[in-house]
Amino acid sequence: DTEVTQTPKHLVMGMTNKKSLKCEQHMGHRAMYWYKQKAKKPPELMFVYSYEKLSINESVPSRFSPECPNSSLLNLHLHALQPEDSALYLCASSQESNEQFFGPGTRLTVL
Amino acid sequence: GEDVEQSLFLSVREGDSSVINCTYTDSSSTYLYWYKQEPGAGLQLLTYIFSNMDMKQDQRLTVLLNKKDKHLSLRIADTQTGDSAIYFCAESATGGAGNMLTFGGGTRLMVKP
Repeated sequence: DTEVTQTPKHLVMGMTNKKSLKCEQHMGHRAMYWYKQKAKKPPELMFVYSYEKLSINESVPSRFSPECPNSSLLNLHLHALQPEDSALYLCASSQESNEQFFGPGTRLTVL
Repeated sequence: GEDVEQSLFLSVREGDSSVINCTYTDSSSTYLYWYKQEPGAGLQLLTYIFSNMDMKQDQRLTVLLNKKDKHLSLRIADTQTGDSAIYFCAESATGGAGNMLTFGGGTRLMVKP
C-alpha cells in the first residue's frame, strides 16, 4: 500500500458543528502532516506529528485539534469553525528520506 | 525567513518542451522538490533533487539546480495535455521524519492541443 487516504472527500458543516477529518497511511512513515490549502494558493502547514508526538504547531487556532492515535492514523477535529476556514485540507506523510506523500484532500465548506 | 518564488503561468503547445522555474532564498536548503496538482486533487510528488546535485533526469522530467543562483527548474519534454496542472516547487532545510516544506506559489501550466 503506497498511498495516503483521506475521508471524507467533501464535508459541509455549520459553525456550531463538531466534525473530524481522517487520514491513514500504511507505508510505515513516522511523520504525518496537516496542511490547509485555499484556492490558487500553495498548501500552508498546520501541524506535524513525528513518531506520534506533535512536533510542530504553526500557530493554528484551537478550533482545530489534531490527534495521532497510532503511527498509521491522523485525525483533525473541528469545532466552532468560521466560514474563512473553508479550504482543501491535505494530509501528508514522510519517512527519513524526507519526501512527503500527500493524500487527495478533504474539501471543507463551513456555512 | 525562507522564500520560494515561481512565475504564475506558462502556456505551451502539445509536443513542445515546458520549463518551469523556481528561485529560493534559503542557502541551507538541502532538498528541493517538484509537486504536481491537478484540479480538485492532492499533490503528487514528481521528483526531487539533493542540493549536492546539479541535475536529475527521470523519463520526460529533467531537474536542473543552480545552487549559486538558488535557481531550480523543471523541464518536461514532449508536453502532453495531461500535463496541464499547477506545479509547486518546495524546499526543505532538514532531513529526517517531521521536516517542514516551504512551497512556492505554484505555476499553472496550460498545454494547448
